[in-house]
Amino acid sequence: DVKVTQSSRYLVKRTGEKVFLECVQDMDHENMFWYRQDPGLGLRLIYFSYDVKMKEKGDIPEGYSVSREKKERFSLILESASTNQTSMYLCASTRGGRETQYFGPGTRLLVL
Amino acid sequence: DAKTTQPTSMDCAEGRAANLPCNHSTISGNEYVYWYRQIHSQGPQYIIHGLKNNETNEMASLIITEDRKSSTLILPHATLRDTAVYYCIVREGVTGGGNKLTFGTGTQLKVEL
Repeated sequence: DVKVTQSSRYLVKRTGEKVFLECVQDMDHENMFWYRQDPGLGLRLIYFSYDVKMKEKGDIPEGYSVSREKKERFSLILESASTNQTSMYLCASTRGGRETQYFGPGTRLLVL
Repeated sequence: DAKTTQPTSMDCAEGRAANLPCNHSTISGNEYVYWYRQIHSQGPQYIIHGLKNNETNEMASLIITEDRKSSTLILPHATLRDTAVYYCIVREGVTGGGNKLTFGTGTQLKVEL
């Protein structure tokens, strides 16, 4: 079974804090993704990575950065958290191409 | 990626089959139909996908019409744990980051006793 894990299920941070969200997959997948999900807006892609140390911006990268130092781990960084970054953050991975994307359980972030 | 249309919500009695429709009239020849579901406050879960033939796995069956303009996800014996939002997605997979998923609003399936 593919397993995608995220470091926290729930997180509360203050405005201006630096926030790290970590995602780990155990299936040797090349591609990893970070999405955020908000009511009425669906799933929106923040960043993705198709190889170690490679990253590409998704649809809404502003205010975020990512790091992929190892194949199994993809980190999302909020350099200075703001209240409009309160959201559900979802990590996904896939072997590539038309392969199925597998999601982690999500991290619900609240920025006060 | 082609646009999909799904009913906003559906109810189903426990133990009965749940049939969730999806229209994708603009689907192109190399686009797959994917189904995911999302139980409240959890990450989306992959269910099944297909190109043109009907597919079945341990979770569900996927029936795709011959013209591929619509499909139906069938949960043969729905249980309370199947209560979730079901998303129908059509997409063409490409190498690298082009294979992002775009979820619409989906169908809220409520399974009741």
